[in-house]
Amino acid sequence: GENVGLHLPTLSVQEGDNSIINCAYSNSASDYFIWYKQESGKGPQFIIDIRSNMDKRQGQRVTVLLNKTVKHLSLQIAATQPGDSAVYFCAEKGLDWDDGLTFGKGTHLIIQP
Amino acid sequence: NAGVTQTPKFQVLKTGQSMTLQCAQDMNHNSMYWYRQDPGMGLRLIYYSASEGTTDKGEVPNGYNVSRLNKREFSLRLESAAPSQTSVYFCASSGRDRKYYEQYFGPGTRLTVT
Repeated sequence: GENVGLHLPTLSVQEGDNSIINCAYSNSASDYFIWYKQESGKGPQFIIDIRSNMDKRQGQRVTVLLNKTVKHLSLQIAATQPGDSAVYFCAEKGLDWDDGLTFGKGTHLIIQP
Repeated sequence: NAGVTQTPKFQVLKTGQSMTLQCAQDMNHNSMYWYRQDPGMGLRLIYYSASEGTTDKGEVPNGYNVSRLNKREFSLRLESAAPSQTSVYFCASSGRDRKYYEQYFGPGTRLTVT
């Protein structure tokens, strides 16, 4: 599949505010996307996923939106906390079940007190 | 349940030296993966193994070899290290017991080649 990419490398928000991290993809055949959180010195950690037959999926304080028309997805984090500070990646999964993931460059989310 | 473990955590090599990065998972997953992450970048797939006995190339396989020793273990070997291979290496695994797909990542191996 095509690489996915992110619009902003760094995002700074006040603690308690909502944050939105964006991601664009170029392969219209992509049908599965995952958001990962990576804290400093650690491996990526799964946050939430979405398939192309959905427009929206919600988790605990997180929502992923998928707009297939413009090939764009976003991760919304509500009421941000200091522990949300990390790098966030969107990743695209290949068409075969066992394919690896194609990651974007990442957005560094900074939560200011 | 340790999840995905990797050894070593840190390694410094001289150009031309060889080494093997070890990875093991205890989640009974069929698929395992090796990625590399360069500074300020996302992860890139090096090799993967869909099941014991099978391996396939990813996006950046040159300079690496892999071995799926058994269902639990998947190793990555650098035969002749080069400075361009300085990176953080992550191993991951995934199973098929979820409605959706999820990869579990290890803590990473930070490799420096001088």
